Amino acid sequence: GNSVTQMEGPVTLSEEAFLTINCTYTATGYPSLFWYVQYPGEGLQLLLKATKADDKGSNKGFEATYRKETTSFHLEKGSVQVSDSAVYFCAPHSGAGSYQLTFGKGTKLSVIP
Amino acid sequence: DAGVIQSPRHEVTEMGQEVTLRCKPISGHNSLFWYRQTMMRGLELLIYFNNNVPIDDSGMPEDRFSAKMPNASFSTLKIQPSEPRDSAVYFCASALRKQETQYFGPGTRLLVL
Repeated sequence: GNSVTQMEGPVTLSEEAFLTINCTYTATGYPSLFWYVQYPGEGLQLLLKATKADDKGSNKGFEATYRKETTSFHLEKGSVQVSDSAVYFCAPHSGAGSYQLTFGKGTKLSVIP
Repeated sequence: DAGVIQSPRHEVTEMGQEVTLRCKPISGHNSLFWYRQTMMRGLELLIYFNNNVPIDDSGMPEDRFSAKMPNASFSTLKIQPSEPRDSAVYFCASALRKQETQYFGPGTRLLVL
């Protein structure tokens, strides 16, 4: 089955620092790829997604590029804010015909002023 | 759109009692997912439905857990009898179709004493 390896946290950064959260996956076929974010006390929200190789998903200053050759989907942001403090989940979709997402363990990000 | 609605938001019960969690998916979505989140195990998919039919319940931990979807706008997850190790946050999510974005509810925080 599919699997996800996500950078372990917690990650603590100062405001305006550069963020990278690594994510690699194994999957059959070419799945859609997602990053979800969970703010304290809330459910998961879609942050961004990419549906085919070399696609770049972006939202709220975050970006991730679908790298088929390295099976990676690393999350980046050039300048983090305190409000970005949350847990981030990488989730490849299973292949064609499947309904499931495979979630990584999550990376907790804390941004300090 | 109201988003995915879950009730109750918090539930405290004693071991051995029956617990019923409820979910109303986004109108028009035909896939529904139940997840459990704990610190130890992260986010686990318990069961998912497509067009009200259970597709895969292999994530349901044991026979004490059951889920139903009697119509397109309502689903329940029942635990009977409940045990302290069932304490977790339970999320419901819905999606428009296969491989589409899953939209999560706010979760039900369950504590079994």
